[in-house]
Amino acid sequence: DARVTQTPRDKVTEMGQEVTMRCQPILGHNTVFWYRQTMMQGLELLAYFRNRAPLDDSGMPKDRFSAEMPDATLATLKIQPSEPRDSAVYFCASAPAGATYSNQPQHFGDGTRLSIL
Amino acid sequence: EDKVVQSPLSLVVHEGDTVTLNCSYEVTNFRSLLWYKQEKKAPTFLFMLTSSGIEKKSGRLSSILDKKELFSILNITATQTGDSAVYLCAVDCDTWVQGAQKLVFGQGTRLTINP
Repeated sequence: DARVTQTPRDKVTEMGQEVTMRCQPILGHNTVFWYRQTMMQGLELLAYFRNRAPLDDSGMPKDRFSAEMPDATLATLKIQPSEPRDSAVYFCASAPAGATYSNQPQHFGDGTRLSIL
Repeated sequence: EDKVVQSPLSLVVHEGDTVTLNCSYEVTNFRSLLWYKQEKKAPTFLFMLTSSGIEKKSGRLSSILDKKELFSILNITATQTGDSAVYLCAVDCDTWVQGAQKLVFGQGTRLTINP
C-alpha cells in the first residue's frame, strides 16, 4: 500500500532550538497538507501546497513557522525558534488533485510527535 | 468562522451495541463531508459524502448527510473492540482551489468498546 512517510516519528528538544519535520507524499499526489493536532484544538490545517506551490498558509504562525516543498517527493515544516506551546503531533497528508476532487480523500502520515521543553 | 461540532465527545459501550456519532457544521462554502477513524496514529479515511440522503455503507459502518439541517451521522452496528478509536468528522470548505480539499475538523468522538 502506498503511504505518506513522515520523519522523525518523535522529537524532543529544548525551547529555542530549530525543528525540521519532513514528509514524503504518496507518489503521484500533487497536493500536500500540514496539520497540527493537540488535545485542546484538535486537528488544525497549517498550510497546503499544490504542485509544490504554497496555496494557503493562513493557519500557520508566520513569525516562526515555514513550510516548503523543495521537490515533488519532499515537503518540510520548520519551526525556528521553537516554543513549548508548539508541542503537538504534526501530520502531513497528501492527495491527488484533478478536475473532479470528489473521489480523492487525503491520506495521512503517522505524524511527528514534537515535545518542546 | 467555519465550524464543525461533533457529539458526543466520548462514548463507552459494550461489544455488540449499535452506536450513532453526530457531526454538525456551519461553513461558508460546503463541498463535502468526510469521516476518518484515528486509532493510534494516522487518521484513516472512511467515507466522503456530498449529497443529502444517500447512505454510504462499508461493512458495519454507514453514514448519511443532511445538507438542509447541516449534519451527518456515522452508525456502527454490532460493535467490536477493534472499533475503539477517535472518529473525526471534517468538512471540505475550500472556496477557490479546484481539486484540493481544505478540511475543517471537528474535535472528534472517542469511542471505547468494552468486551
